[in-house]
Amino acid sequence: KQEVTQIPAALSVPEGENLVLNCSFTDSAIYNLQWFRQDPGKGLTSLLLIQSSQREQTSGRLNASLDKSSGRSTLYIAASQPGDSATYLCALNTGGFKTIFGAGTRLFVKA
Amino acid sequence: NAGVMQNPRHLVRRRGQEARLRCSPMKGHSHVYWYRQLPEEGLKFMVYLQKENIIDESGMPKERFSAEFPKEGPSILRIQQVVRGDSAAYFCASSMDRETNQPQHFGDGTRLSIL
Repeated sequence: KQEVTQIPAALSVPEGENLVLNCSFTDSAIYNLQWFRQDPGKGLTSLLLIQSSQREQTSGRLNASLDKSSGRSTLYIAASQPGDSATYLCALNTGGFKTIFGAGTRLFVKA
Repeated sequence: NAGVMQNPRHLVRRRGQEARLRCSPMKGHSHVYWYRQLPEEGLKFMVYLQKENIIDESGMPKERFSAEFPKEGPSILRIQQVVRGDSAAYFCASSMDRETNQPQHFGDGTRLSIL
């Protein structure tokens, strides 16, 4: 059974700091992995989608990596800003119709 | 607005009443997914529908919950005889096709509160 764990559960950093969010999964048989951002009272915004055959994806200040052999993905945020404060969710598609989500990391960037 | 539209945004019901949550997918999308999010938890898959068909409802409780996606109109998630434990945020997502490399686009959710 696929399980997705995100560490840390919460993170508070000063503005300008580079940071890494971690996602681990138990079954390496995945189709893709997606990182989402969720703002309070809002839905999910897709940040990056990494296909199974890819190692990383980049968008602006964000870089996501995927290492299937170790069951890990990281989301790297460069030069963090207060506007980056949100909950970040890692989600796996294992080839079926279900997407399996982690519980998220709540990020707070202090001005 | 071409995004996934959910309504209502907030819904309050008393125990025993019925709750109906609506989802209009993005234009051109014929695949709809419903998820439930409990406080401090990630999203949990409930059901996947295409027009007029339920494809996978393995995440949906066997009793009181039902979902439909008619040929015309939005997808509906229906909860009968609600209980306190049904209080959660319910999210709908849509995609263009069933290919697993297509990202799902999410609505802003319906927050259901049971008194």
